[in-house]
Amino acid sequence: DQQVKQNSPSLSVQEGRISILNCDYTNSMFDYFLWYKKYPAEGPTFLISISSIKDKNEDGRFTVFLNKSAKHLSLHIVPSQPGDSAVYFCAANSDRGGGATNKLIFGTGTLLAVQP
Amino acid sequence: DTEVTQTPKHLVMGMTNKKSLKCEQHMGHRAMYWYKQKAKKPPELMFVYSYEKLSINESVPSRFSPECPNSSLLNLHLHALQPEDSALYLCASSERAGRSSYEQYFGPGTRLTVT
Repeated sequence: DQQVKQNSPSLSVQEGRISILNCDYTNSMFDYFLWYKKYPAEGPTFLISISSIKDKNEDGRFTVFLNKSAKHLSLHIVPSQPGDSAVYFCAANSDRGGGATNKLIFGTGTLLAVQP
Repeated sequence: DTEVTQTPKHLVMGMTNKKSLKCEQHMGHRAMYWYKQKAKKPPELMFVYSYEKLSINESVPSRFSPECPNSSLLNLHLHALQPEDSALYLCASSERAGRSSYEQYFGPGTRLTVT
């Protein structure tokens, strides 16, 4: 049961254009979402996050949008740069309350290739 | 400093060997995690330590044995592994484990090959 889905396994974009990576989720209990970037043979690097009480969070070239009613989030990168080429994972966390340990659920990843 | 370090970077071991993976963070984080990642798959949670106590074990086989000697260190002891256990093993830490808003920071991983 894949609770977090990234339906596009790969995306190719020209340098300078916008990259839009999408993520869908099924669990309405998720209350925090994160995007990670991963280069081959390295660990994921935290990029940007958003709480479910917001619909947008921006950090430099990266903006994450959350549509709770559609259970959909997206990561916009503008302008895209060749160094952005990597696998991007979205992840979701749910507050299980009572101080219980929370768990990140990762999507399957999207390989972004930014062409010079 | 948001660095999580892991040693070794690569490990090749036979099915009868005993080895250990090590992870260290000096961010004052009180939650530490072990993940396993196979090629072209997302990271899968194995264990969570919160305040040096095992908080989550995701039904991991007993041939994987975690240990948290102190708040900065996390080990994963390996014994009698199978070839299908070959994967990238990632360590992560977060400020706390009890609130969903705490981002997890990952180490570079140990690439494990079981022969």
